Amino acid sequence: AQSVSQHNHHVILSEAASLELGCNYSYGGTVNLFWYVQYPGQHLQLLLKYFSGDPLVKGIKGFEAEFIKSKFSFNLRKPSVQWSDTAEYFCAVNQSPTDKLIFGTGTRLQVFP
Amino acid sequence: GAVVSQHPSWVICKSGTSVKIECRSLDFQATTMFWYRQFPKQSLMLMATSNEGSKATYEQGVEKDKFLINHASLTLSTLTVTSAHPEDSSFYICSARDPGGPISYEQYFGPGTRLTVT
Repeated sequence: AQSVSQHNHHVILSEAASLELGCNYSYGGTVNLFWYVQYPGQHLQLLLKYFSGDPLVKGIKGFEAEFIKSKFSFNLRKPSVQWSDTAEYFCAVNQSPTDKLIFGTGTRLQVFP
Repeated sequence: GAVVSQHPSWVICKSGTSVKIECRSLDFQATTMFWYRQFPKQSLMLMATSNEGSKATYEQGVEKDKFLINHASLTLSTLTVTSAHPEDSSFYICSARDPGGPISYEQYFGPGTRLTVT
């Protein structure tokens, strides 16, 4: 069955620490990859996306992610987190040509000042 | 950017009653909208794909007679939870794809509707 795995369920960091959140998927063929963020009490927002081309994609707020096809991974990174990055982060995949998004279980990030 | 709204944002209903949730694309026309369900501290689960002018496509395990979806116009899709029970209490989120937008396959999410069935 198609699935998306996020192995880090809860991450706690201090400000200025580096962040890497793992995401693995179990599809073959062409995929589109997304990272969404859900701040407390707010709706889902797109952080970044990969459709094709350069496997290292940069998103908003200093986030970036690297698509490694051989590892079926799309890990999210940020070199220096801020308190305002405290949120829930979701990795999602859709397989061309469908529109359906399959979400990972999410990672809760807490950043302490 | 594209904006999707949902109404109501929060609703409490009694067991056995029906509740309608609206999802609107405010500044674009959405031929396709999606309905998700999110349980506390869990991920989003796709319930159904709503296509304007045609029947919705439900995911496996989702009761189509219980979760009625109507996509009557290019800017509005509704989800009606019929004969609601406490186990239907959840956070319902819709999203819409902008076919005329610069990025294909990108979905814009609404703020969600918190349903509590007593």
